Amino acid sequence: DQQVKQNSPSLSVQEGRISILNCDYTNSMFDYFLWYKKYPAEGPTFLISISSIKDKNEDGRFTVFLNKSAKHLSLHIVPSQPGDSAVYFCAASSGGSYIPTFGRGTSLIVHP
Amino acid sequence: KAGVTQTPRYLIKTRGQQVTLSCSPISGHRSVSWYQQTPGQGLQFLFEYFSETQRNKGNFPGRFSGRQFSNSRSEMNVSTLELGDSALYLCASSLGASNSPLHFGNGTRLTVT
Repeated sequence: DQQVKQNSPSLSVQEGRISILNCDYTNSMFDYFLWYKKYPAEGPTFLISISSIKDKNEDGRFTVFLNKSAKHLSLHIVPSQPGDSAVYFCAASSGGSYIPTFGRGTSLIVHP
Repeated sequence: KAGVTQTPRYLIKTRGQQVTLSCSPISGHRSVSWYQQTPGQGLQFLFEYFSETQRNKGNFPGRFSGRQFSNSRSEMNVSTLELGDSALYLCASSLGASNSPLHFGNGTRLTVT
């Protein structure tokens, strides 16, 4: 039973355009959400997070949006760059939890 | 600051054997978590150690075990290896507080033949 779902296994975007990666969750107790990026042969690296008390968090080219009523969050990358090509994992945790639950990842390819 | 170090990077074992993987966390991090990554399954949580005690455990069989030492270094052991254990095993460290971001190592690629 997947509590964090990334329904698009892959996404292809042109350089300079916006990349939108989506994530849905089923556990209403989740109150903290994170995105990680993973390059081949490397471990995931933390990208950005958002608490459930917010609906948007921005860090440079990366913005995460949270829609609690829809149990949906998205990561926007603007503008997309070829170096952004990687697998992106969405993760969620509930209050006091030390362990996030990860989605299966979305592979983003940014074409020059 | 050195990152999370996992050894070895690659490992080939035969069914029925056992294997031990090692993880050195970032200095000052007291929590170490282990994840299994297989194609199409994402990151599956194995267990987490904090101050030498297992604090959380995922839904893996008892063949998967771990421990943490007083210097926060951690080892993971898999006994009686099965073909399905072939995966990338990732270790992550954190400060151990709730919602602390995880810092991952580059993983150990285990192949069971």
